[in-house]
This record gives sequence, structure tokens and C-alpha cells, in this order.
Amino acid sequence: AQSVTQLGSHVSVSEGALVLLRCNYSSSVPPYLFWYVQYPNQGLQLLLKYTSAATLVKGINGFEAEFKKSETSFHLTKPSAHMSDAAEYFCAVSLPGGTSYGKLTFGQGTILTVHP
Amino acid sequence: NAGVTQTPKFQVLKTGQSMTLQCAQDMNHNSMYWYRQDPGMGLRLIYYSASEGTTDKGEVPNGYNVSRLNKREFSLRLESAAPSQTSVYFCASRQFEYGYTFGSGTRLTVV
Repeated sequence: AQSVTQLGSHVSVSEGALVLLRCNYSSSVPPYLFWYVQYPNQGLQLLLKYTSAATLVKGINGFEAEFKKSETSFHLTKPSAHMSDAAEYFCAVSLPGGTSYGKLTFGQGTILTVHP
Repeated sequence: NAGVTQTPKFQVLKTGQSMTLQCAQDMNHNSMYWYRQDPGMGLRLIYYSASEGTTDKGEVPNGYNVSRLNKREFSLRLESAAPSQTSVYFCASRQFEYGYTFGSGTRLTVV
């Protein structure tokens, strides 16, 4: 079984400031981890994914995330926020192999607000 | 463009009415999934189909049924809609172990 917890349902930053969105997971085996972004009234867009290769994963729009097994974390960061980053962000986990049938488990989501 | 197509995009139902949400993918993916999205709860799995001919319950299956009509199509049916089923519904398909493609969603309101 797997689960995801996103710490903070709302995060507010100033334009140009560091963005840090927190995600912790629970998994019985080394998982696959994902970050998705959802802009208002739109679908999900994949930002990045960890699939057991490099622990530091770079994604689109300047975002990156680091897989830390010892902390069971996969926090999302961006050095300098832009107004266009305002959206809701979801962390998700799936288990490799056949037993979980590729089911994605999502966190509750974090709404990022960027102030001018 | 290749991807996951969901229809309809918007729907308003009266309590007790039935409807089917359609999902089709043209990427030859084996696995397909239905999720619902509610504020503050992320996306929760309703049903999934690991391969053509198989379906299984997810986290929140009550009030729903599914049909994997063929490899391309995976439909979600509400037999008697309830206000608690007001939500945004997403269909997804999977390639390999970590390649997911999501549809654009169906926004359903039950009054």
C-alpha cells in the first residue's frame, strides 16, 4: 500500500522568492513519485517524475524535486517564483511491479499563490 | 492528437438520473483509470482496469460502475446520481510503469 501527504494546503510566496512544496510518502517498496500541476479549470500536467534513477529530478518550468529515501520525502522546489506558477500542485506515488496495477495515489494538493 | 478523450466536458444531472462518462485512448495502453477530484482531497481512484477484460474497485467505488468495452474505451456509469457525486472526473491511461496520460476532465454537477 502507499500514501502521500502534502504539508500545507496553501502556500503563498512573493514573485522571485523560493518555492518549496512539501511531499512525504509511505510505501512498502521503493516507489515512483510524481508532481503534477493543475491550472484553474484545466487538467493535470506532469511537472516531473522520479523513477529510481537520479535522486534529483529536473522538470518543466524550472521546477525540480529531490528524492530522499531516509526522510521519505519528495519536495518540489523552484528558485524564483513567477506569477504564472500560481496553480494547484499534486504529489503522487505509484508502486513498481505488477501488484499495484499502476494505481496512482495522490496527495491532497497544495494551492500556490504568487504575490507581485 | 494522440491522448485520452473524455466526453462530455460538462454535465448537470438531477438527483436520481443516470449517465455514462466516456473515455477513450488511442495510445494502445493496457491500463486505464477513473479518478474523481474534490477540493482538499486530491484525486481519488474510483475504478481501474489493468487490462482489457478486467476491472476492479479503487478507493471510492460506491455508486459507480465501469465497463472496459475494448482496449481503447473505459466508461464510468452513475446509475442513480446523488449530490455527493458532484465532482470533476478524470480518466487516465498508463504506458509502461510510470507513463500516465490524463484526459481533460468532466465537470459533473448533481442538483
